[in-house]
Amino acid sequence: SQQGEEDPQALSIQEGENATMNCSYKTSINNLQWYRQNSGRGLVHLILIRSNEREKHSGRLRVTLDTSKKSSSLLITASRAADTASYFCATDGFYGGATNKLIFGTGTLLAVQP
Amino acid sequence: DAGVIQSPRHEVTEMGQEVTLRCKPISGHDYLFWYRQTMMRGLELLIYFNNNVPIDDSGMPEDRFSAKMPNASFSTLKIQPSEPRDSAVYFCASTPRGGGELFFGEGSRLTVL
Repeated sequence: SQQGEEDPQALSIQEGENATMNCSYKTSINNLQWYRQNSGRGLVHLILIRSNEREKHSGRLRVTLDTSKKSSSLLITASRAADTASYFCATDGFYGGATNKLIFGTGTLLAVQP
Repeated sequence: DAGVIQSPRHEVTEMGQEVTLRCKPISGHDYLFWYRQTMMRGLELLIYFNNNVPIDDSGMPEDRFSAKMPNASFSTLKIQPSEPRDSAVYFCASTPRGGGELFFGEGSRLTVL
């Protein structure tokens, strides 16, 4: 399967704590993106990191990328109950000769307890 | 802009019936993607279009599935005949540039009895 793997599958933390999610993928990539999905809703884009970047910040989000290990992490600092959602990584890579298609990982379900 | 619009939001049908899901992408977005989401298989890319032309349909599960994009503002995903294992949430997404941020619709939840 081309699909990436995310770790952990589920994470439960208290409000105010930091949450870290990891993503591993299998092929060379142009960029890696993180998305959020609230229950019963569509996915919402959070952040994009290019293959030549190692770290990127956006508000309370910090993303790292290690292309040598084919892995990325998403850190959410000072979590809030409203951060409760599923988080997915997606890679724009070289799949069967076709590019420009985003392949999503398996997702991490984050629960932030108030 | 209203975002990506999908219809219907919910569809319940019986095995063997034809199902048509519809998508209106964001104006000016040249790429359109169809994904399927299930608990067992996660988010699977079915097919994507660039400038109304299908580029990669390797994710379409079988001949019962077909997708069209007759113009820049409309796409359909058709399942004929439908089977219970097709039950899933089907998402449409669009983007103005290849490999860029995807804008998702709210999905069409399909239940095949």
